[in-house]
Amino acid sequence: DVKVTQSSRYLVKRTGEKVFLECVQDMDHENMFWYRQDPGLGLRLIYFSYDVKMKEKGDIPEGYSVSREKKERFSLILESTSTNQTSMYLCASSFPRGRSQETQYFGPGTRLLVL
Amino acid sequence: GNSVTQMEGPVTLSEEAFLTINCTYTATGYPSLFWYVQYPGEGLQLLLKATKADDKGSNKGFEATYRKETTSFHLEKGSVQVSDSAVYFCALSRDNYGQNFVFGPGTRLSVLP
Repeated sequence: DVKVTQSSRYLVKRTGEKVFLECVQDMDHENMFWYRQDPGLGLRLIYFSYDVKMKEKGDIPEGYSVSREKKERFSLILESTSTNQTSMYLCASSFPRGRSQETQYFGPGTRLLVL
Repeated sequence: GNSVTQMEGPVTLSEEAFLTINCTYTATGYPSLFWYVQYPGEGLQLLLKATKADDKGSNKGFEATYRKETTSFHLEKGSVQVSDSAVYFCALSRDNYGQNFVFGPGTRLSVLP
């Protein structure tokens, strides 16, 4: 079974603090993604990566950065948190197009509350 | 641009009722279409998919048909169970390398015994 794990299930931070959210997958997937999930808005893509040391901006990258030093690990960094970053953060991974049924595998999510 | 629209929830049904969750999309080209489900406290998981027009995806009693003429991918189940209570997301894959997805806002389904 594919497993995508996220470093924390719940986090509470104060405005201005730095936050690292880590995601690890064990299926040797090339592609990894970070989304945020908000009520009524569904999932919105923050950043994605198709290979080690490669990153691309998604639809809402402002206020975020990412790091992919190893194939299995994709980190989301919030340099200086703000209250509007309170959300559920979901990580996903997949094989590239042509190698799979285009399925993304999701982690359980990290619920971040910024006070 | 690409977008997905779903019916607003929450949807509340009695066990064994018929379920329809509407999904329509706008896209350039011919994307693959998906339904993902999120059970309480868990991440999303793929429920079913269809990769071209008139394809029908099915899994666990759920079905959806890719309708190009109406740009729709409605989810149906003939008889829902309490265990089907979850949030359902319609999604499409953007037509570029790597399966970049666009998700709808999600529809929460509650099934009462």
